[in-house]
Order: sequence, then structure tokens, then C-alpha cells
Amino acid sequence: GQNIDQPTEMTATEGAIVQINCTYQTSGFNGLFWYQQHAGEAPTFLSYNVLDGLEEKGRFSSFLSRSKGYSYLLLKELQMKDSASYLCAVTDSNYQLIWGAGTKLIIKP
Amino acid sequence: GAVVSQHPSRVICKSGTSVKIECRSLDFQATTMFWYRQFPKQSLMLMATSNEGSKATYEQGVEKDKFLINHASLTLSTLTVTSAHPEDSSFYICSARGSAANTEAFFGQGTRLTVV
Repeated sequence: GQNIDQPTEMTATEGAIVQINCTYQTSGFNGLFWYQQHAGEAPTFLSYNVLDGLEEKGRFSSFLSRSKGYSYLLLKELQMKDSASYLCAVTDSNYQLIWGAGTKLIIKP
Repeated sequence: GAVVSQHPSRVICKSGTSVKIECRSLDFQATTMFWYRQFPKQSLMLMATSNEGSKATYEQGVEKDKFLINHASLTLSTLTVTSAHPEDSSFYICSARGSAANTEAFFGQGTRLTVV
């Protein structure tokens, strides 16, 4: 079956760095997405990785290792507004989006 | 980025009635549309995937006769909750994407359904 795993919840301190991991087992791979979702709102796109390596975008970076079926989202200089759920999603060989359950990130002052 | 418009944003209906939610892609052709449900403090749950002109593929446990999905054009999909009950009260979100593998899914604003 197809499966995406990410931690259910993480806690970090304002100003610190946090890494949210995502592992996947899917039938084929055509890219991995990270989304941010604040409570009561629709998810918003953060990043897309299809090749191995690190993609940096401001305070957020996303890493992919296709051989390991692994990705992480790195958030630097954490701000209180970064408190949200972070969703990992993979496009499989049929171009279907497979979603992880999301990681709730709690930022403490 | 591309825009997906979902309407209505909030709806309150009586138990036993039906509610239709629309999802429109405003500036791109949405080959695939996804419908999700999200209960408070829980993650997104995919209900069904629909490709334009085809019948929707429903996830296990989702009643296709209760949640009717129509994707008749490349810019519009609708979800109809039939014979709604209080337990159907939830946040319903649609997303749409084009055909290329590297296209992200764009989300609508969500619909807060309350069945009384």
C-alpha cells in the first residue's frame, strides 16, 4: 500500500530551528510537496522537490532523498506565526497526490 | 499563484436537506480535483478524487451516494452532501491541479458546514 509518515506533533521555541521529517512508500514518485495549514484555513503551498537535495526558500528549506524515501522541512528563526500543521504529500506514478496526516507544530515563547 | 474559488464559505442547513458546494479553478484548467473533509483538530481526510469527465474515485469509507461529486468541466467541480445529518458538520476543502506532475495543488478557501 501507499504510506506517508510524519510525526503527529512537535514543539519548538521561538527563534530556534525545527526539522519536520516525512518518509514515504508509494507506487512510483513524481515529486513531493510541503504545505502549511493554519487552524480553520485551507493549506498553502510551501515547497516542491523532485530531485535529491536541498531547496532553500527564505526561512524554510526542504530536502529530498529519493533513494531513502525521505524528506524534511527545515524551519529557521521560528516565529509564533509558524505555529501550524505541516503536510507532506507525494505524487505517485499515476500523478495522484498521497497525503501524510500532518505534523502539528507548536511554537513556545 | 493560481486561484481556486470555493463557495459558499459557510453554510447552515437543516438535517435531512442537501447542500451543494462549488469549487472553481479561475485561471487554469483543473484536470484533477480533490475533495477533503477536516474535523476539528484533525488532519485533512481525502474523500474523493475526480478527473474531468470521469466518475469520482472515492476513498474507503466514504459513501458515494451521500457525497455526490460532479466534475463536468475543467474549471468546475461540485460536492453535494445529500440528506445531511449533524455528524456531517465539518470543514470541506477542495483542491485542484493541472495535469503535469510538478504542479502543486491549489486549495479553495474551504466550506464550514453546520447541520442543525
